[in-house]
Amino acid sequence: DGGITQSPKYLFRKEGQNVTLSCEQNLNHDAMYWYRQDPGQGLRLIYYSQIVNDFQKGDIAEGYSVSREKKESFPLTVTSAQKNPTAFYLCASSRLAGMNTGELFFGEGSRLTVL
Amino acid sequence: GDSVTQMEGPVTLSEEAFLTINCTYTATGYPSLFWYVQYPGEGLQLLLKATKADDKGSNKGFEATYRKETTSFHLEKGSVQVSDSAVYFCALSGGSGGGADGLTFGKGTHLIIQP
Repeated sequence: DGGITQSPKYLFRKEGQNVTLSCEQNLNHDAMYWYRQDPGQGLRLIYYSQIVNDFQKGDIAEGYSVSREKKESFPLTVTSAQKNPTAFYLCASSRLAGMNTGELFFGEGSRLTVL
Repeated sequence: GDSVTQMEGPVTLSEEAFLTINCTYTATGYPSLFWYVQYPGEGLQLLLKATKADDKGSNKGFEATYRKETTSFHLEKGSVQVSDSAVYFCALSGGSGGGADGLTFGKGTHLIIQP
């Protein structure tokens, strides 16, 4: 079935460690996104990518990095520079980057906890 | 910039009650409007959408009408069920960003339906 797969579902990290969250989609979508979700704050955009080998910072990019080497993959690295990384991370994709269709398809999410 | 405001939760109702969750937005241009639903521990699923003024989106008994004059997109359901318990997010796309940078989300409304 087509969809977005995020892994791992749960991840624990010690302070000072970098971690990478995986996001893979087989929907042939052009655009991919990473959001962070915190209780009572809704979803905030970290990074997005409209085409391979190109990506843009969102509202809260500091302490994060991404790559887009393949159309179907958009991994997110949470670096040690991120001051408060404990959160629920959601990856999403959409069919037509730059078009006003807007609908996003989401993965199941990855919950990162810093010990 | 674009923004979405939705009523704070939690909202607690009895089964078969009428539901309204208010959503208002601020955007330049002509955004598309969405309601997403998130069940515990999962990603977001599109519930319904409307792409132009006076459009009505509907799905699973839920409805919302795009009201440009009041910049609103309130979610309604005539008779809620326990299975409707979830977090509901109002979102917009397109506004000033043209849709390329994903969706702007409200903070979410936690709905609890009691039997």
